[in-house]
Amino acid sequence: DGGITQSPKYLFRKEGQNVTLSCEQNLNHDAMYWYRQDPGQGLRLIYYSQIVNDFQKGDIAEGYSVSREKKESFPLTVTSAQKNPTAFYLCASSQRGAPGEQFFGPGTRLTVL
Amino acid sequence: ILNVEQSPQSLHVQEGDSTNFTCSFPSSNFYALHWYRWETAKSPEALFVMTLNGDEKKKGRISATLNTKEGYSYLYIKGSQPEDSATYLCAQNSGYALNFGKGTSLLVTP
Repeated sequence: DGGITQSPKYLFRKEGQNVTLSCEQNLNHDAMYWYRQDPGQGLRLIYYSQIVNDFQKGDIAEGYSVSREKKESFPLTVTSAQKNPTAFYLCASSQRGAPGEQFFGPGTRLTVL
Repeated sequence: ILNVEQSPQSLHVQEGDSTNFTCSFPSSNFYALHWYRWETAKSPEALFVMTLNGDEKKKGRISATLNTKEGYSYLYIKGSQPEDSATYLCAQNSGYALNFGKGTSLLVTP
């Protein structure tokens, strides 16, 4: 059963702590993406990766870091430098290149206490 | 950052009503326009990917049109059903990722 998994579904973090959100896909897609959603906002791009061992900053990359060591995995670390990390985070993947349809995971809701 | 706008922000219709939403986007450097449906507690699901001016696509009771010259797309739902209740997202493909609008939230009541 192909798809994208994200874990955990809910995550609580104390201020000043780094936290890593997991994203795994078994669709054999080259490209993977991280988006953030805030109330009243559209999905905003944090980071994307078109191929293993390569990734690019999106529109709101400050305070975040990623790695792409394997094709199927694209973890996102929310660092203490992110000023307002409480949000809903969505991971997606697609075949490389425009105009490919993106497939989304179920999301992780991060709350900073 | 490409500016994708959607209207209305929310919509409440009765079962059986037909409805439509608008997505406007910058018409320069156009690659593709995507429509997604996002139901509560589920992942966004692709409805259409449209690339050519004048494209019309249909999936069941849902259809979409595209005008790349003037920078807009319409999504139509014929005979709305309660299961159509969701947020409908429009996104423009910038060549490397998607730029999303804020979505239109549709509620269909019996």
